[in-house]
Amino acid sequence: DTEVTQTPKHLVMGMTNKKSLKCEQHMGHRAMYWYKQKAKKPPELMFVYSYEKLSINESVPSRFSPECPNSSLLNLHLHALQPEDSALYLCASSPGQGVLYEQYFGPGTRLTVT
Amino acid sequence: RKEVEQDPGPFNVPEGATVAFNCTYSNSASQSLFWYRQDCRKEPKLLMSVYSSGNEDGRFTAQLNRASQYISLLIRDSKLSDSATYLCVVNPYNTDKLIFGTGTRLQVFP
Repeated sequence: DTEVTQTPKHLVMGMTNKKSLKCEQHMGHRAMYWYKQKAKKPPELMFVYSYEKLSINESVPSRFSPECPNSSLLNLHLHALQPEDSALYLCASSPGQGVLYEQYFGPGTRLTVT
Repeated sequence: RKEVEQDPGPFNVPEGATVAFNCTYSNSASQSLFWYRQDCRKEPKLLMSVYSSGNEDGRFTAQLNRASQYISLLIRDSKLSDSATYLCVVNPYNTDKLIFGTGTRLQVFP
């Protein structure tokens, strides 16, 4: 079963709020990813975790803070976001990190910053 | 030049038609290539990996020309349910990133 789950499905938050997005997979995958996708644009990579360690940060602003508590869970902590951060946030996982591994995406969290 | 280029479409085709999408990529060291499909307001779903020899999965055929840095996706006997955006995705060699094309939108009509 190639399932990645994400909660919440929708989130509306003000610019002073703190919230967290959650992602979970039980496929034994060792790499997990956060992407941001704006309307009519392709997904843009934000972070990569491999074996629970942050391996890639695509120069993401510090108001986005990732966390990987264990190999099945990935969080994205949000603080002091801007309206332009409104987007679909997608989590993905793959069996390992690197070439030849396909990534499987969760359904996403649709975030609106007011 | 963008790293991955696709014709954005939309391609409007009748049911039963055959349609082909093309994709070019700029990084000659790209190791792995994929086609994903994305329905409106949904997540991308892996459609197929693209292998050097070309590969087929039911009505879908992917072809790769590494010399020209070009891949294609052929859909035969189009169904209404094939309506989606098709994303060409490239994994450059020795990186852990997927580079997405902007996608080609397909609309199949009755």
